[in-house]
Amino acid sequence: DAGITQSPRHKVTETGTPVTLRCHQTENHRYMYWYRQDPGHGLRLIHYSYGVKDTDKGEVSDGYSVSRSKTEDFLLTLESATSSQTSVYFCAISESLGDRVDYGYTFGSGTRLTVV
Amino acid sequence: ILNVEQSPQSLHVQEGDSTSFTCSFPSSNFYALHWYRWETAKSPEALFVMTLNGDEKKKGRISATLNTKEGYSYLYIKGSQPEDSATYLCAPLPGGSYIPTFGRGTSLIVHP
Repeated sequence: DAGITQSPRHKVTETGTPVTLRCHQTENHRYMYWYRQDPGHGLRLIHYSYGVKDTDKGEVSDGYSVSRSKTEDFLLTLESATSSQTSVYFCAISESLGDRVDYGYTFGSGTRLTVV
Repeated sequence: ILNVEQSPQSLHVQEGDSTSFTCSFPSSNFYALHWYRWETAKSPEALFVMTLNGDEKKKGRISATLNTKEGYSYLYIKGSQPEDSATYLCAPLPGGSYIPTFGRGTSLIVHP
């Protein structure tokens, strides 16, 4: 998606290893979000950021940490990966909170993470 | 965390059919509602942002309505085409947090 990229696109890792996913935006948007998507569930919010060094927990934050040292980068870290964290992870950005203007959130292409 | 229900879960229609699906959400503390279209192997794309009771938005053959008093939104597709095949997500945003809660989506498959 234009203006937002996620890396890596795919990753296989072993249980117990640390993993960091990166979200990079070129839109200079203030708000950034990490979601996970699993069968039978909607997109569920893990963490979000409302500015550099300002982050908050979402619905499913246990086992995850985030950092935002620059406006353009939002990192999601699994400190010790577990099989239950096998999922597709999406990053999203928005210019304002709630985004009442007619364009909603912009999503990245996703990272497929498999923990074996 | 809001209780968001989308129905039906999946829908198969023939090319040319018109169809609709529903998003239900708590009517209290409503702020806005997003609709997204999510094609397989792609990322969700915003269709509409709806804010006012009675809102009606339209983009080509797709339109949406909003009833904040009773807590539902309808998405309509007129004259479905195979390229409309996708999962359609709704995401209401409550006042206060302004963070959307996503429904599980309605999977639409349009058969040629």
